[in-house]
Amino acid sequence: DIQMTQSPSTLSASVGDRVTITCRASQSISSWLAWYQQKPGKAPKLLIYKASSLESGVPSRFSGSGSGTEFTLTISSLQPDDFATYYCQQYNSLWTFGQGTKVEIK
Amino acid sequence: QVQLVESGGGVVQPGGSLRLSCAASGFTFSSYGMHWVRQAPGKGLEWVAFIRYDGSNKYYADSVKGRFTISRDNSKNTLYLQMNSLRAEDTAVYYCAKDITLSWGQGTLVTVSS
Repeated sequence: DIQMTQSPSTLSASVGDRVTITCRASQSISSWLAWYQQKPGKAPKLLIYKASSLESGVPSRFSGSGSGTEFTLTISSLQPDDFATYYCQQYNSLWTFGQGTKVEIK
Repeated sequence: QVQLVESGGGVVQPGGSLRLSCAASGFTFSSYGMHWVRQAPGKGLEWVAFIRYDGSNKYYADSVKGRFTISRDNSKNTLYLQMNSLRAEDTAVYYCAKDITLSWGQGTLVTVSS
């Protein structure tokens, strides 16, 4: 089974900050990595697929990078609507999720 | 537009059974594998099960293996999750999701409690 390790678990930031979240796979997953945003009581929302492809309708301040085992999600300038929990997901072999990163207001 | 609508959630006693359904529309259901994912209250996302497009292969998380069964009816564009021998730790929102394009439903809540 492929394990996903996401860090940090919590991140305190201010509006306008540049934010980076990291996800590491226990073995190579090529570029089969997605990032989701989730708000309380809502289903996860797909932001990035195939490591760096922006889902339609997602603001361009979100970007993804990486391949193999190391991946990052970057929010270039944090907006009030971005305070949420973010998950990475590998879909190279079945599915596995990272533990999540809660982005809080500093 | 892809639409996935889960139903069948509710309150069930420990040891009981429940069957979830997921009605799919907006895509050729019979061409895609499908997943169930769950999220316990206040916890992260946990993959539960996967079924290939034609139902030929099924895969399960260790936590549900032997208790849950994933199935599909391509003539009805519907995915199912039969949950038996339910435990308190199965309490969660259950989501169905489409493989490849990663579309998700809105979820249905299952509560296992006496």
